Amino acid sequence: DTGVSQDPRHKITKRGQNVTFRCDPISEHNRLYWYRQTLGQGPEFLTYFQNEAQLEKSRLLSDRFSAERPKGSFSTLEIQRTEQGDSAMYLCASSSGILAQETQYFGPGTRLLVL
Amino acid sequence: AQKVTQAQTEISVVEKEDVTLDCVYETRDTTYYLFWYKQPPSGELVFLIRRNSFDEQNEISGRYSWNFQKSTSSFNFTITASQVVDSAVYFCALSERRQGAQKLVFGQGTRLTINP
Repeated sequence: DTGVSQDPRHKITKRGQNVTFRCDPISEHNRLYWYRQTLGQGPEFLTYFQNEAQLEKSRLLSDRFSAERPKGSFSTLEIQRTEQGDSAMYLCASSSGILAQETQYFGPGTRLLVL
Repeated sequence: AQKVTQAQTEISVVEKEDVTLDCVYETRDTTYYLFWYKQPPSGELVFLIRRNSFDEQNEISGRYSWNFQKSTSSFNFTITASQVVDSAVYFCALSERRQGAQKLVFGQGTRLTINP
């Protein structure tokens, strides 16, 4: 199986600009998660999709953030009007099967730097 | 609320030494799942192990072993005969089941450096 892929791997942007990240999950994985990891910390949950439905969003996801998963395949995470506090690694994970036996497989992440 | 504590921020040992990474968790769920992930410098989180709360049997995989003790809410990870390639940040995580998803709650991670 091809693993989870994310694009771009790195993004540098100026404060106030919009950015969009893409995640391609492992083929046929119906669940997709987004996490954010700041320097020196563990990843924190942002949002979750079951197929194309976004079922849960963390309070960390302000109204400047939006995520989609059209057709239940790849997902995009958009940040509008970026702020320096948005600088972080954005990780995507996918999984499938019985929830009780779930293992989330992570992509390489997109490292965002907001100047 | 779910919480995972990895008290060791950084550990540095010489190659071939054994090293144990501690993980303590808090949860009110009766059924839960614990994980260890490895994050090398490339940034990708690599899955190492998944343990169910009802299975307290310890597990060994090559040089890696895991000690799960429900009584002390701990899930420690030991690397035997460490190698330079083991250098990475290691995360312990606890699943939080909400709305059909298994949200992972991560500890802060332990940066392990194996010196030649």
